[in-house]
Amino acid sequence: EVQLVQSGAVMRKPGESLTISCKASGYTFTDYWISWLRQMPGKGLEWMGRIDPSDSYTNYSPSFQGHVTITVDRSISTVYLQWRSLKASDTAIYYCAKRSEAGAHNWFDPWGQGTLVTVSS
Amino acid sequence: DIQMTQSPSSLSASVGDRVTITCQASQDISNYLNWYQQKPGKAPKLLIYAVSSLQSGVPSRFSGSGSGTDFTLTISSLQRADVGTYFCQQSNSLPPTFGQGTRVEIK
Repeated sequence: EVQLVQSGAVMRKPGESLTISCKASGYTFTDYWISWLRQMPGKGLEWMGRIDPSDSYTNYSPSFQGHVTITVDRSISTVYLQWRSLKASDTAIYYCAKRSEAGAHNWFDPWGQGTLVTVSS
Repeated sequence: DIQMTQSPSSLSASVGDRVTITCQASQDISNYLNWYQQKPGKAPKLLIYAVSSLQSGVPSRFSGSGSGTDFTLTISSLQRADVGTYFCQQSNSLPPTFGQGTRVEIK
């Protein structure tokens, strides 16, 4: 079974750093991009960026470029999302999702269970 | 970025009703359109990819249609298990973008 398991909910103060993780299993990890997506409380879904686990190449949404970093550890099939300095507005649920594809088409499937990040003083 | 606009933002219907959700793209995305279902407190789940291809395990009461800029998700006979929020997503170009969601409730 293809599965993405994310790290648990966390609470931090503004200005603190944070790294959350997404561990993949059930498929060849280096064959498919993994994306991170944000869902702010009661809101829709925003794509933040993605990483190619085979070579660590990344793409970021302009809205998130420079504020987060996506990295990978191929030895443990895990992708990370990192902040150096959190803001209260980073409070949200963060999902990782695997790129799936057929021909020219691609979609997100499956998704991790989500990680709630709360930033509050 | 391509803007995706869904309507309605919410709806309430009875069990057995036919439900239709529309999604409009700000530019032509051909057939690069996917649909997801998010149940309360859960991660989104893929329902339909490439406009009309049903993901394995998804009930056949779900269907999708459209092309270009206008797309539709239809639930032929609404069930209580279908309560949740539905999102469309374009995969035509980076960054992938989502509609704002349609909340479906049982009347």
